[in-house]
Amino acid sequence: SSELTQDPTMSVALGQTVRLTCQGDSLRNYYTSWYQQKPGQAPVLVIYGKNNRPSGIPARFSGSSSGNTASLTITGAQAEDEAAYYCCARDSSGDHLVFGGGTKVTVL
Amino acid sequence: QVQLVQSGAEVKKPGASVKVSCKASGYTFSNYYMNWVRQAPGQGLEWMGIINPSGGATTYAQKFQGRLTMTSDTSTSTVHMTLSSLRSEDTAVYYCSRDLGTVTPQLDYWGQGTLVTVSS
Repeated sequence: SSELTQDPTMSVALGQTVRLTCQGDSLRNYYTSWYQQKPGQAPVLVIYGKNNRPSGIPARFSGSSSGNTASLTITGAQAEDEAAYYCCARDSSGDHLVFGGGTKVTVL
Repeated sequence: QVQLVQSGAEVKKPGASVKVSCKASGYTFSNYYMNWVRQAPGQGLEWMGIINPSGGATTYAQKFQGRLTMTSDTSTSTVHMTLSSLRSEDTAVYYCSRDLGTVTPQLDYWGQGTLVTVSS
């Protein structure tokens, strides 16, 4: 079982906003990073830390955190955003990383 | 440009070992840690461990303690991951991914993945 909990599936209408969440006790002390993965491809880093986007990631992706919950928001979802999204953070010990179970996002 | 190129697919029998390589280019190899992450068919991502190529210090997920070994070769900018005592549940795509090693994970470049199939 994962120390980080994500909703397995979410859907969003084209152009609308969707917020994905990641819950875990360690998130009270550590920031997360978020990864997008499309079928048959390696994951891609989309958000890390408080709310940082790597070069090339569209501004419609943003991150936030409060208490034991981290969130990834896609504002104005596009068809190409349909993918699985994984959060990642240090575990409660601080010595290891852990991934959430992932959220499969469908763009309608 | 940064590239992580992994070795090719492997088929192994239960009980055997597998060694997967990840050759880095386009950046200063010793400045970034390297993680190994695996993904079983139809499943999510699973962190296996991390190595500091400068010095070779490693940290492994508890699940893999005793079966997992990570090494680095700075002369060839390559890290290796060896998983022993393979079982069918180890069938997965294995990825290497570089990381600054800061408190917040920042796996910004990933290898293409190596499929390891464990079957009798």
